[in-house]
Amino acid sequence: QKEVEQDPGPLSVPEGAIVSLNCTYSNSAFQYFMWYRQYSRKGPELLMYTYSSGNKEDGRFTAQVDKSSKYISLFIRDSQPSDSATYLCAMRSSSSASKIIFGSGTRLSIRP
Amino acid sequence: DAMVIQNPRYQVTQFGKPVTLSCSQTLNHNVMYWYQQKSSQAPKLLFHYYDKDFNNEADTPDNFQSRRPNTSFCFLDIRSPGLGDAAMYLCATSRVPLTGGMNEQFFGPGTRLTVL
Repeated sequence: QKEVEQDPGPLSVPEGAIVSLNCTYSNSAFQYFMWYRQYSRKGPELLMYTYSSGNKEDGRFTAQVDKSSKYISLFIRDSQPSDSATYLCAMRSSSSASKIIFGSGTRLSIRP
Repeated sequence: DAMVIQNPRYQVTQFGKPVTLSCSQTLNHNVMYWYQQKSSQAPKLLFHYYDKDFNNEADTPDNFQSRRPNTSFCFLDIRSPGLGDAAMYLCATSRVPLTGGMNEQFFGPGTRLTVL
């Protein structure tokens, strides 16, 4: 079993829709939960992160962590064609500052 | 602008012919990483340098080596590339805080390696 599971998609939605991206994980030691965005032929870039459980909002993006269910989500409101990319969840424990574990990514396409 | 630079962006090599990929950073970060990413897969950590300390992942093949001659540069050497080594190779950097906390990894654009 992989430590981090993520549905690869692809996911295609119309412009303006609310998008929900999700990951599950198995390691209860994970404390930092991240979402990276990767455009085609580019390296990943950090979109936002959450420490432990709870919600975090940044503009049109909301990250949620439910540690009891080992489940994290990223919501995108008012989705735009420029949001079309692969979204990778990533996480790490507090004791392993250098190493993060990535999900395989969900490819998202926003139709104009 | 501070950044992570990878050269070349595209590399073609022949089966068994050694190849070196390079990464440089202007962020003055203490940690540098090499990841392998195959199509539709998660980036897989190969190894990382914490300052001068080399940390190899247990499942990284011996075929892959790395050098970090100074803070700014890090190299990935593939001694005898096989067809299965064709992938995107990503370099990343971070400043790992001594007291813990979040440390963001900054990625370069990657080098796409083709093995003929």
